[in-house]
This record gives sequence, C-alpha cells and structure tokens, in this order.
Amino acid sequence: AQTVTQSQPEMSVQEAETVTLSCTYDTSENNYYLFWYKQPPSRQMILVIRQEAYKQQNATENRFSVNFQKAAKSFSLKISDSQLGDTAMYFCAFMKLDSGAGSYQLTFGKGTKLSVIP
Amino acid sequence: KAGVTQTPRYLIKTRGQQVTLSCSPISGHRSVSWYQQTPGQGLQFLFEYFSETQRNKGNFPGRFSGRQFSNSRSEMNVSTLELGDSALYLCASSLRGMNTEAFFGQGTRLTVV
Repeated sequence: AQTVTQSQPEMSVQEAETVTLSCTYDTSENNYYLFWYKQPPSRQMILVIRQEAYKQQNATENRFSVNFQKAAKSFSLKISDSQLGDTAMYFCAFMKLDSGAGSYQLTFGKGTKLSVIP
Repeated sequence: KAGVTQTPRYLIKTRGQQVTLSCSPISGHRSVSWYQQTPGQGLQFLFEYFSETQRNKGNFPGRFSGRQFSNSRSEMNVSTLELGDSALYLCASSLRGMNTEAFFGQGTRLTVV
C-alpha cells in the first residue's frame, strides 16, 4: 500500500515571499502520478500541479513548481510570490497507474494548512 | 461549462438512518470517484464508477454503496449511519479516470447525531 506523508501541519508566509511545502511518499511502484491539490475554505479541491513519475523534468504552473526527487521519494511544492488567495489546505496525493483495472485512485497526505500573511 | 454539482450541501441525520448523496459530473465526464474527508482519517477513497460500472472500491464497510446512472450522475448511499460517518463527502469527475484531470465538487457535509 502507498503512503503519503506531509510533515508540516501548518505553515505561514508573508505575502510576496516564497514558501516550500514538503511531501514524501512510500511506494514500490515505478509508474505513478503525483499531485498537489489546494482546498480553500470553500472546501472545493482544486488541482494545483501534476507530475508524472517517468518525467525527470519538474512540473511548473505559473507561480507553482515542484521539486521531484524520485529516488528519495520526495515531492515538494514551491509557491513563489505568495498571494492572499493562496491561503488554503494543501494536499499532496499519489496515484499508481493500474492500467489493468482501468481505475485510478488517489492516496492523500494529511495536508498542510498554509496561511499567507499580508 | 458547469462544474461538478453535489447535493445536498449539508445534511443532518440520526444514528441508524440511511442517507443518499448525489453527484452530477461535468458534461461529458464518464468517471466519478467518491472520497470521504474527516479530521482524523483525512481523505480516503470510497469508490469509482465509470460508465455505470464500479471499477474500484476502497476499504469501507458494506454500508457504503453507490451507483452511476446512464447520464453519468452518481449517488452514494450510507445505511445504518454511525457517528463516525460524519464527514465531508467529495465527488470528483473526469473524462476517463483520475489519471486525466479530475474536477471536484464542493462536497456534502454530513453530520450524524
């Protein structure tokens, strides 16, 4: 079974600064996806960024980027130029590629509560 | 394009009752997944439906069931409610599965008293 660990329950960052959220995972799979989801107070989960394990290049989406270290099983999220709207719970998630069943499920970490301070 | 719609948004039920939650996916999406979110256990996978067939099921008791209709709308049912079933239930829709981009609804907050 896969496990995802987010070691920082809460973090804060000044507006316009940069913050990095940590995530480690444990799996024996070689092919998988990793995700960061954001859950603001509205409760709706929003996909922030996705990384395919076979890609060595780190994914980037505007102010969001990841540092994917496959051997270390580490997948951290860096948020640059933090904005007040980035205040939310952030969840790291793992998904193995179960092509046989054609079904895919996410395994989530416990989350990191990020507060952006004006 | 309308997003994923979950109804109702809030629900209060008594122990022992049963409840049905609904999820309408984005038009054209055929995969619907359900997740339970609690403060203690976090987010846990319940089940996934694709074209009216359950493709995968998480580690939940048989009291939790679901189904998907021909228009891809999905319902999940919890029978004989327990206090521990109090949670936010999230639905996610995607074209073919979570490996394609998935969109979540705002969830149904179920409180069991």
